[in-house]
Amino acid sequence: GAVVSQHPSWVICKSGTSVKIECRSLDFQATTMFWYRQFPKQSLMLMATSNEGSKATYEQGVEKDKFLINHASLTLSTLTVTSAHPEDSSFYICSARGRWLSNYEQYFGPGTRLTVT
Amino acid sequence: GENVEQHPSTLSVQEGDSAVIKCTYSDSASNYFPWYKQELGKRPQLIIDIRSNVGEKKDQRIAVTLNKTAKHFSLHITETQPEDSAVYFCAASITPPTGYSTLTFGKGTMLLVSP
Repeated sequence: GAVVSQHPSWVICKSGTSVKIECRSLDFQATTMFWYRQFPKQSLMLMATSNEGSKATYEQGVEKDKFLINHASLTLSTLTVTSAHPEDSSFYICSARGRWLSNYEQYFGPGTRLTVT
Repeated sequence: GENVEQHPSTLSVQEGDSAVIKCTYSDSASNYFPWYKQELGKRPQLIIDIRSNVGEKKDQRIAVTLNKTAKHFSLHITETQPEDSAVYFCAASITPPTGYSTLTFGKGTMLLVSP
């Protein structure tokens, strides 16, 4: 149980375009989803937290107008990188916590590698 | 906010040796401490976790110890194998009775186990 998927697994886009990444909880209802960003050989940096049906809470320094997060249902959250630039190239990973899981555990998706040319 | 320091950044051991990774945290209210293993290009996998009401937890070759007074916790891997090679992240979080908590990660330790 507690499987989280992401789509796409990798994407290449041109500078100035927008890219949408999906995060799905496959076998549980995700009341809370988290979006992380990871640069090569670095740690996971929390970008934002979203609860189903409410606006996302962004971490300090993360531009909410650039990284649009929508937690539309209990199984789906999306991250849209708007007007992408090469410096947005990174590994984006989501994680989820569900109603039947404890308040402690988070389960991670496989990540999406974004390359902006 | 919470700050998690992790050491060492790189650890090389021979197969069969033990490996120890240490983390310290700053917020005494933190009450949940998971450890994740991440292989290159893959998702972090939870390998063991400990809550603040426990001092030690063991799962086969992996153990975690927690010293709340000193605000540090450690991961111990015994009888290391080449497949243990990966990046290991510690994390800390404060979990309120209601609502959600967020994880603060350490910078990671690259463990290399040589055959």
